[in-house]
Amino acid sequence: AQRVTQPEKLLSVFKGAPVELKCNYSYSGSPELFWYVQYSRQRLQLLLRHISRESIKGFTADLNKGETSFHLKKPFAQEEDSAMYYCALTGSNTGKLIFGQGTTLQVKP
Amino acid sequence: DAGVTQSPTHLIKTRGQQVTLRCSPKSGHDTVSWYQQALGQGPQFIFQYYEEEERQRGNFPDRFSGHQFPNYSSELNVNALLLGDSALYLCASSLQGLGTGNTIYFGEGSWLTVV
Repeated sequence: AQRVTQPEKLLSVFKGAPVELKCNYSYSGSPELFWYVQYSRQRLQLLLRHISRESIKGFTADLNKGETSFHLKKPFAQEEDSAMYYCALTGSNTGKLIFGQGTTLQVKP
Repeated sequence: DAGVTQSPTHLIKTRGQQVTLRCSPKSGHDTVSWYQQALGQGPQFIFQYYEEEERQRGNFPDRFSGHQFPNYSSELNVNALLLGDSALYLCASSLQGLGTGNTIYFGEGSWLTVV
């Protein structure tokens, strides 16, 4: 079955603390993995994708095929990082994103 | 570029009624997908349109139908509304689907409440 699991509904950290948002997936084949973010009252937007291997706003994510995970990390959280984060995957050329249930990140001052 | 635009932003319908939601893709995009996002859940794929045809479909009943026009804009129609259809409906646009390094852009969504 194709599935994305984000085990934490809410992650609350203090400003400056490290952050790790967990994402595990199930997919038969070679998926492409993404992290999307939704800030308060804004639309869903792409944060990063595994094929680009870039760091956006200090966030990184490494695809671990052995553990079928794609955890999102940031060494020092900022208050403006508070948002809803969704992990998603797609198969090659399927054109269909499968999302996890999302994790709310709350960064306290 | 206004990006992906959707209308209406909010609407309330009664059980059994029909609803049409509209989407204009980002300039230059030719592929439109629709997602349903229930409260507290991640978006779920409904279907995708490219070249005015439905190319992919998720696990949604035939009450959900769509259309794409020659200008790439799209409509989502839901017939015989149920209370469980209450959700945020997201439109997403891209260029010839995924797998090519293209980015998918989302609209702000249409909030549908069925009473």
